[in-house]
Amino acid sequence: DTAVSQTPKYLVTQMGNDKSIKCEQNLGHDTMYWYKQDSKKFLKIMFSYNNKELIINETVPNRFSPKSPDKAHLNLHINSLELGDSAVYFCASSQRGHYGYTFGSGTRLTVV
Amino acid sequence: DAKTTQPNSMESNEEEPVHLPCNHSTISGTDYIHWYRQLPSQGPEYVIHGLTSNVNNRMASLAIAEDRKSSTLILHRATLRDAAVYYCILLNTGTASKLTFGTGTRLQVTL
Repeated sequence: DTAVSQTPKYLVTQMGNDKSIKCEQNLGHDTMYWYKQDSKKFLKIMFSYNNKELIINETVPNRFSPKSPDKAHLNLHINSLELGDSAVYFCASSQRGHYGYTFGSGTRLTVV
Repeated sequence: DAKTTQPNSMESNEEEPVHLPCNHSTISGTDYIHWYRQLPSQGPEYVIHGLTSNVNNRMASLAIAEDRKSSTLILHRATLRDAAVYYCILLNTGTASKLTFGTGTRLQVTL
């Protein structure tokens, strides 16, 4: 019954590897987001998709590539992982407009 | 994006009301005032939002100043489970609108 679910919850990987994080929402929302929370707990938006169309692409290295196969799913693929990519990544969804966002429980990525 | 200003931290006793202030003097007419909280080791959680009128829901109340340059999140009876970082964020409803998080207010609740 989880509204916004992310997998995996934890991910430990070596530098240089490629990894993906998946997100799914069952709320019927039309917009999905990826946020990154660094070690100082600062939350920053990375990407946003509305009905499979990319509408926000913040200054993020092009090693990060989001993909939205449909409006209920938003995945994040990261190439050539670096130590600085270690963070908690949150997926969120909302109905476009002034409505509240629903966040997933996060994926803790550790690059060693 | 219009900015908000919140105190870094606040303390409250359990079972007492808590008033969390937020200043947003550069708010525009189409900015909605959103509040979220983040409990330890969890994702942010939507609390409440409003435009001009005060709002109530099962979690909290939102009091918005008449000139909209400030707002207050009211937790009516704080519990230990309300200890979290509370974020006040302005959300514009433009095409590429997004929630931009600041540093928030860390609320400590003690017995």
